Amino acid sequence: GQSLEQPSEVTAVEGAIVQINCTYQTSGFYGLSWYQQHDGGAPTFLSYNALDGLEETGRFSSFLSRSDSYGYLLLQELQMKDSASYFCAVSRYGQNFVFGPGTRLSVLP
Amino acid sequence: EAGVTQFPSHSVIEKGQTVTLRCDPISGHDNLYWYRRVMGKEIKFLLHFVKESKQDESGMPNNRFLAERTGGTYSTLKVQPAELEDSGVYFCASSQEWAGNNEQFFGPGTRLTVL
Repeated sequence: GQSLEQPSEVTAVEGAIVQINCTYQTSGFYGLSWYQQHDGGAPTFLSYNALDGLEETGRFSSFLSRSDSYGYLLLQELQMKDSASYFCAVSRYGQNFVFGPGTRLSVLP
Repeated sequence: EAGVTQFPSHSVIEKGQTVTLRCDPISGHDNLYWYRRVMGKEIKFLLHFVKESKQDESGMPNNRFLAERTGGTYSTLKVQPAELEDSGVYFCASSQEWAGNNEQFFGPGTRLTVL
């Protein structure tokens, strides 16, 4: 079967750094994406990794290790507005996406 | 540029009734995807259109669900007859190229409640 695992909840304070892990077990792998969803809102794309290593986009970075079937999203200089759910998603060539269960991030003042 | 829009935003129906959800993708996006999120669980893929053709409908739960994309523009997802377990938020997303290595743009979702 296809499965992705993420922590269900993470709590951190403003200004801190938080890492949200994602492990996957899927048939076929093309890339790992991350999406952010605020309550009641639409998921929005944050980043994509197809190759091993770190991709940096402003305060957010995403890492992938294909050999370990593992990735993470790193959020730096946390702000209150970063409180949201974060989903990792595996894309598989010729097949479609499998999303993780989501991690609810709460940023405290 | 207008984003992905979905209609209605909310729908409350009784078990056994029919509901039709609509999605208008970003203009020019050939790829259109339907997803469902049930009770705060993972976002589950339902199906993928490329223009008017169904590229992958492996995620459709059963034959009570029918998706169409006539003319390759907007899409509809009909649930007939609706069951209690169909409750959830239905998202539509679109992308110009296959979204596997590109961003897909999500709509705000339709929250469906079946009583």
